[in-house]
Amino acid sequence: GAGVSQSPSNKVTEKGKDVELRCDPISGHTALYWYRQSLGQGLEFLIYFQGNSAPDKSGLPSDRFSAERTGGSVSTLTIQRTQQEDSAVYLCASSLARLAGESTGETQYFGPGTRLLVL
Amino acid sequence: RKEVEQDPGPFNVPEGATVAFNCTYSNSASQSFFWYRQDCRKEPKLLMSVYSSGNEDGRFTAQLNRASQYISLLIRDSKLSDSATYLCVVMSFNKFYFGSGTKLNVKP
Repeated sequence: GAGVSQSPSNKVTEKGKDVELRCDPISGHTALYWYRQSLGQGLEFLIYFQGNSAPDKSGLPSDRFSAERTGGSVSTLTIQRTQQEDSAVYLCASSLARLAGESTGETQYFGPGTRLLVL
Repeated sequence: RKEVEQDPGPFNVPEGATVAFNCTYSNSASQSFFWYRQDCRKEPKLLMSVYSSGNEDGRFTAQLNRASQYISLLIRDSKLSDSATYLCVVMSFNKFYFGSGTKLNVKP
């Protein structure tokens, strides 16, 4: 079956512009995560959606970052007034909901990422 | 203090060698543990989950020590294709914390 897809794969933008990144999770996966990874660094958690619950936005670095998940499926991450330090790979992952006593739902499947370069 | 800490390496080993990575985590209430592998300019992919009793998958063995809050990954008979960055991942209440990764270079 299809994995997690992200678009665009690469995005070059000018400082101050807004960008929108898209993630299509695996069908049936209720949990969706956004991370970013700077060159040579680990993954930085940004935001987490679980079903219809309020998202966990605790990782968003500033109010220029926002994300939506429409209909429990596709998600968009929006960065307003981009800065050069926003340049990174933005990764989306999805997983099945974790059920009590089960571990198989926890595996995260990652999309290929969007490489964002802010000039 | 970071939630998950790993030695960044790189570990440079010859083919056929055995290599071990450790990872420590700070939250004693962490519930699940994983090793992911990330190739250069690629997304992370699950290598294996880590179970309390330890588990093995072919040449890979993972162990968890809750008392000392560390996780280990052992790779036996290293192959050139094992060259990658290995990410230690800890889950606490549906949030995943990633280590910065340990880079492995397997040389002929």
